[in-house]
Amino acid sequence: QSVLTQPPSASGTPGQRVIMSCSGSNSNIGPNYVYWYQLLPGAAPKLLIYKNDQRPSGVPDRFSGSKSGTSASLAISGLRSEDEADYYCATWDDSLSGGVFGTGTKVTVL
Amino acid sequence: QVHLVESGGGVVQPGRSLRLSCAASGFTFSSYGIHWVRQAPGKGLEWVAVIWYDGSKKYYADSVKGRITISRDNSKNTVYLQMNSLRAEDTAVYYCARDQSRGYRCPDTWGQGTLVTVSS
Repeated sequence: QSVLTQPPSASGTPGQRVIMSCSGSNSNIGPNYVYWYQLLPGAAPKLLIYKNDQRPSGVPDRFSGSKSGTSASLAISGLRSEDEADYYCATWDDSLSGGVFGTGTKVTVL
Repeated sequence: QVHLVESGGGVVQPGRSLRLSCAASGFTFSSYGIHWVRQAPGKGLEWVAVIWYDGSKKYYADSVKGRITISRDNSKNTVYLQMNSLRAEDTAVYYCARDQSRGYRCPDTWGQGTLVTVSS
């Protein structure tokens, strides 16, 4: 049972912008950095965003992250068919003294 | 190039034990924390445990506390996950992943995972 809540699904047509949320609390997202991962079938998770809004080298600038208070968001601009995947947010929870992942959002490209 | 390779997965009966290994290369292993994260069939990612760069701190998810122990051997660039009293709900792909820092951040690089199936 995750403490970070994400919408189960999101969709868009090629070229559109899709935004997904990650809702937490004052013990996790509030005081800590948020990370975002892309999970393709049969592949290892890939880091998309670290420290709320930073992109690792090699990640297209179509992906962007933000954080405000106890919530965070991941936006995908110029949606492409290869973006069809599951997306997870993650952070540290000070009350649990452990890492936490979001419930995951499945992105479908129509 | 950062590389993490998990091994030790397989089929095990409920109540038995299993030890997973995570062999690392391509970076200064003793400077980074290492996480274990799992994904049960058809489910989302679940954080399992983390060990700090020097082994001084270890944290566990409530769902595995008391049954799972994380350890590391910096001389062998390897992290271990000792799993005891295994249950059907422990069935999952287990990933090891490098922390972005010494153990107090989130993962930045992941291995390909190893499948653990708990079944009689």
